Amino acid sequence: GEDVEQSLFLSVREGDSSVINCTYTDSSSTYLYWYKQEPGAGLQLLTYIFSNMDMKQDQRLTVLLNKKDKHLSLRIADTQTGDSAIYFCAESPLSSASKIIFGSGTRLSIRP
Amino acid sequence: DSGVTQTPKHLITATGQRVTLRCSPRSGDLSVYWYQQSLDQGLQFLIQYYNGEERAKGNILERFSAQQFPDLHSELNLSSLELGDSALYFCASSSRTGAIDTGELFFGEGSRLTVL
Repeated sequence: GEDVEQSLFLSVREGDSSVINCTYTDSSSTYLYWYKQEPGAGLQLLTYIFSNMDMKQDQRLTVLLNKKDKHLSLRIADTQTGDSAIYFCAESPLSSASKIIFGSGTRLSIRP
Repeated sequence: DSGVTQTPKHLITATGQRVTLRCSPRSGDLSVYWYQQSLDQGLQFLIQYYNGEERAKGNILERFSAQQFPDLHSELNLSSLELGDSALYFCASSSRTGAIDTGELFFGEGSRLTVL
């Protein structure tokens, strides 16, 4: 089946690292994505990882993929107030043509 | 600015009514996706069109329908509206042609529907 699960909320102190976790169910997923939604806006792609990779790093962002456990995480180093947003994990199941399935989103709030 | 335009931005209507949401994709994108974002159900995939044809279907109610026109703009029609249909409806466009394509989805700012 197709299902992507995330915790709903995460609160971190400014300057600390944020780790947002996600589990997905479809092992055929070719790509896994992280999208960011700022208040009043649509979603924007942050980064993606191909399913045969374990890790991808892009500046302050690190994506880790554990394919065996179907677990994806996004680490944001040195979290800033501008990182406050909802972060969506998404999968692209090979079995489902071109649709992309999103999780419910994790709302990241930053404490001073 | 993602290049995807959605109208109207806000819409208030009554139960039982019908509304049409419109989406203009980014120039050159052939795929259009519709998603529903509600507080209790997150971001739900509704339907996808590619170059005028339905490509994939999600949890779209029978009261809802969509189409993509020859100029590639898309409309989502919601009928016999219920209170529970109140949500933010997003359109996204992409150059994706399949699951092996990394193509990014570009989202519009959404149409907020309130059913009273």
